[in-house]
Amino acid sequence: GAVVSQHPSWVICKSGTSVKIECRSLDFQATTMFWYRQFPKQSLMLMATSNEGSKATYEQGVEKDKFLINHASLTLSTLTVTSAHPEDSSFYICSARRLAGGREQFFGPGTRLTVL
Amino acid sequence: AQSVTQPDIHITVSEGASLELRCNYSYGATPYLFWYVQSPGQGLQLLLKYFSGDTLVQGIKGFEAEFKRSQSSFNLRKPSVHWSDAAEYFCAVGDQAGTALIFGKGTTLSVSS
Repeated sequence: GAVVSQHPSWVICKSGTSVKIECRSLDFQATTMFWYRQFPKQSLMLMATSNEGSKATYEQGVEKDKFLINHASLTLSTLTVTSAHPEDSSFYICSARRLAGGREQFFGPGTRLTVL
Repeated sequence: AQSVTQPDIHITVSEGASLELRCNYSYGATPYLFWYVQSPGQGLQLLLKYFSGDTLVQGIKGFEAEFKRSQSSFNLRKPSVHWSDAAEYFCAVGDQAGTALIFGKGTTLSVSS
């Protein structure tokens, strides 16, 4: 149990276009989902915390108008990269925490975004 | 400030030799500690976690870690490394409320034959 999926697993897009990444908890309900970003050969950095039914909380330095997060249900959060540019190319990973509580987060497999 | 330090950027170990990856943390609240492994282009796999209780925790793939509060450390060990263990290893810390994790910069493990 506790499986988190991401779709797509990789995407290539042209500069200026928008890309949507989905994060789903497949076998549990998640009140909270987290979005992380990982540059090549670097660690994961938290971008935002997404709570079902409310606005996401963004980390300092993350543009909320560029990285739109929607957590419309207890099993789905989406990250939309708007007007993507080459510097947005990165590995995006989501994680989810159970509705029933607990301290553990379950990570998705990640989405590789390449902006040309 | 809350942080996780992994002092070793890259470690090379001979196959069959023992391994220890270091992790030190600075955290204001009671820490909950994790070790994850990541293969190239892949997501994170949880190796083990420490919430409370026995300070020596066992994980998957033969890994173990020891929580030492006095040293603010949570080092990962394996008695005999296999070539398939070559990957990136991340130490992370969180709290009992389940807030976002803080990750170390990672240690790249190479295994030589």
